[in-house]
Amino acid sequence: RKEVEQDPGPFNVPEGATVAFNCTYSNSASQSFFWYRQDCRKEPKLLMSVYSSGNEDGRFTAQLNRASQYISLLIRDSKLSDSATYLCVVTDSSYKLIFGSGTRLLVRP
Amino acid sequence: EPEVTQTPSHQVTQMGQEVILRCVPISNHLYFYWYRQILGQKVEFLVSFYNNEISEKSEIFDDQFSVERPDGSNFTLKIRSTKLEDSAMYFCASNRGGAPETQYFGPGTRLLVL
Repeated sequence: RKEVEQDPGPFNVPEGATVAFNCTYSNSASQSFFWYRQDCRKEPKLLMSVYSSGNEDGRFTAQLNRASQYISLLIRDSKLSDSATYLCVVTDSSYKLIFGSGTRLLVRP
Repeated sequence: EPEVTQTPSHQVTQMGQEVILRCVPISNHLYFYWYRQILGQKVEFLVSFYNNEISEKSEIFDDQFSVERPDGSNFTLKIRSTKLEDSAMYFCASNRGGAPETQYFGPGTRLLVL
């Protein structure tokens, strides 16, 4: 079983749409959880950390369910500039980042 | 805003040659990392480094790989004898506390081994 699993997509949505990504992780001892964004041939950039209480940053909302080992990201009112690959990332006790393969989002005009 | 920088941005080398990839982490950061991403695949951890020694390394980081902090600013990844399968994007990252806080990534070095 992969350590971090994501639907590869692509998700092809119109501008203004709401889109949700899901991620599952296999290690119940995982410590921290993040969503990173990666544009084509660029470095991963932190989008937001994910907490059990859920957190929101503008149009982005992240949720963590430790019992189900499940992480989600919701993007409201999608913009063309949101087109990218969204990486689900967890850390273990050593704090190295463990990446999922990413979910590709295409926002069309 | 401080950034992690990496040089070169691209490197082409012949199989069997040595390459050194360079990184300048953010100045007050103490923990340094190398990751790689083979084209079309996920980002993979290679090694973490703190207090002038390796904290952890993955199974990818075999004897052909080494890391060094030769001075107060640079952090290098050396591949002693490159193989075709070493072709990838190599990202350096750093953070201050090593704990589960954000790791800041450099723009990467694209390595092509022919």
